[in-house]
Amino acid sequence: EAAVTQSPRNKVTVTGGNVTLSCRQTNSHNYMYWYRQDTGHGLRLIHYSYGAGNLQIGDVPDGYKATRTTQEDFFLLLELASPSQTSLYFCASSDFRGGNTGQLYFGEGSKLTVL
Amino acid sequence: QQQVRQSPQSLTVWEGETAILNCSYEDSTFDYFPWYWQFPRESPALLIAIRPVSNKKEDGRFTIFFNKREKKLSLHITDSQPGDSATYFCAASANYNQGKLIFGQGTKLSIKP
Repeated sequence: EAAVTQSPRNKVTVTGGNVTLSCRQTNSHNYMYWYRQDTGHGLRLIHYSYGAGNLQIGDVPDGYKATRTTQEDFFLLLELASPSQTSLYFCASSDFRGGNTGQLYFGEGSKLTVL
Repeated sequence: QQQVRQSPQSLTVWEGETAILNCSYEDSTFDYFPWYWQFPRESPALLIAIRPVSNKKEDGRFTIFFNKREKKLSLHITDSQPGDSATYFCAASANYNQGKLIFGQGTKLSIKP
């Protein structure tokens, strides 16, 4: 069973604050993703990566940085948080090697509130 | 821009009926279409997926119908059960960038007993 773990699960910060969301996967998957989920918008891709040191820009990257330090760890950074970034954030991993289909395995989600 | 669109936004059907969820897309290079479902307070999970080599993919009560010419697909859930109540997301990725999976806005399905 795929395992993706996010932390923190809940975070409250103020406008202008600095937030780091962490994600670790133990499946040796090559791809990792950060999505945000908002009512009416579904899941929107922020950043993704296909390996350590790699970063790909998603569809809603403004205001977010990300870093993939190892194959297991992917971080999402909000350096000047704004209320518009209040959302539920999901990390996910997938693998396309060896005939794998690229099924996404999601973490439990991190709820961020920016006051 | 919304590359993957879903309709309706919400749908209620009676237990035993067939629920039909719709999805359309714009990018003709999309060649992989998974559907994910998400139960309240849980994470999304893969339900069923199709590649355009086929116009239909069936898995038990769940069937994807695919129309490449119109860039549309639909998910049919036959003999709907209250346990099928969830939000359903249509997603797509392109052959030249299979790692980038784009989701639609979702359809919230409620099954009335």
